[in-house]
Amino acid sequence: QQQVKQSPQSLIVQKGGISIINCAYENTAFDYFPWYQQFPGKGPALLIAIRPDVSEKKEGRFTISFNKSAKQFSLHIMDSQPGDSATYFCAARGTGFQKLVFGTGTRLLVSP
Amino acid sequence: DVKVTQSSRYLVKRTGEKVFLECVQDMDHENMFWYRQDPGLGLRLIYFSYDVKMKEKGDIPEGYSVSREKKERFSLILESASTNQTSMYLCASFKDGLNTEAFFGQGTRLTVV
Repeated sequence: QQQVKQSPQSLIVQKGGISIINCAYENTAFDYFPWYQQFPGKGPALLIAIRPDVSEKKEGRFTISFNKSAKQFSLHIMDSQPGDSATYFCAARGTGFQKLVFGTGTRLLVSP
Repeated sequence: DVKVTQSSRYLVKRTGEKVFLECVQDMDHENMFWYRQDPGLGLRLIYFSYDVKMKEKGDIPEGYSVSREKKERFSLILESASTNQTSMYLCASFKDGLNTEAFFGQGTRLTVV
């Protein structure tokens, strides 16, 4: 019930392409869904986050799509750049409990 | 800028040693966490604390303990290090409230030989 399932494990995209990473959850008490970006040798940093009362949130080239009925959410990176090469984690948290649960991560490589 | 600082970037310890990993945050956050990161397994929660002297087990607490004597400091203790505890350890903190951002330290790469 606390799990967040993430796919794919790794992804190679050409420069300028669209990167798509998917996550699914089971616990309907989750109500905050952040995505974290991690570069080698660094800790994860918040990239973008969404609440389930909206179906989409866009910040620059990064968009979260959220499907509440399917309990799925995804990260889309438009016009992917080599500088986007990193590991991406989806996560979930619920009101009233402090645990932040992470997916298993996606290693993105954007080829020049 | 919020800062979460982990005391060591790299550590090498021997099997059976007691190991202390320290984490300090400077933004008065109530909640602090210890995760370990392993390839293909993502970030797995070891322990967390939502207040001074309070602690809760995460998903993989076996072989670990924690201490939170002051609000800004959260320590992870490996009572008797084993080779299967070789990993990247990440500390994180966030403030109480709705949708508050979690901030991570830079990580400690622990190798147990």
